[in-house]
Amino acid sequence: AQKITQTQPGMFVQEKEAVTLDCTYDTSDPSYGLFWYKQPSSGEMIFLIYQGSYDQQNATEGRYSLNFQKARKSANLVISASQLGDSAMYFCAMREVYGGATNKLIFGTGTLLAVQP
Amino acid sequence: NAGVTQTPKFQVLKTGQSMTLQCAQDMNHNSMYWYRQDPGMGLRLIYYSASEGTTDKGEVPNGYNVSRLNKREFSLRLESAAPSQTSVYFCASSEGIYISQPQHFGDGTRLSIL
Repeated sequence: AQKITQTQPGMFVQEKEAVTLDCTYDTSDPSYGLFWYKQPSSGEMIFLIYQGSYDQQNATEGRYSLNFQKARKSANLVISASQLGDSAMYFCAMREVYGGATNKLIFGTGTLLAVQP
Repeated sequence: NAGVTQTPKFQVLKTGQSMTLQCAQDMNHNSMYWYRQDPGMGLRLIYYSASEGTTDKGEVPNGYNVSRLNKREFSLRLESAAPSQTSVYFCASSEGIYISQPQHFGDGTRLSIL
């Protein structure tokens, strides 16, 4: 069963507007971490933000925030005031404690975001 | 401020050839990883090394071997390349194995096997 689901293959947003990228996950582990990575057209993977399953507050990093709804098993990335440089592929990923490999990051298939001027 | 460095950036091989992808990190991280990225599939873990001297299989280890040469370096070897191994390969490192520690990635190696 797919553990990370990103249902939006691609999205458009106007410059300076906010955009939400969806991510749902599936796990039976009580302790896990959720990550978002950005992959620009140049190809590198850039870590953006982290949310732990026991964190009481939603994570924020500059213009990035994570809308964490534990009961719904969703961890949506919100980018405020979009910039042209935000155009990239965005990946949601999860890391679990159990399952034999605490190091394993499970990735979704990504959402391609295009910011329009 | 190099972070994770991968070499080469691009490579074309013929079926059956062997190849070693190199990865080095300068962040004094304990854990290192190799992923492959295929279109529409996200990244999948090939092998990882939780600490110097240890390696373990990930999700898709068949056809690959790894060596954790020292704390800085983690190489990935294709002994007999197959067209199905055409992919973009990413090396990553993290401070340790705790959930909250993010993995930091290199720029990737684009590998084509004809």
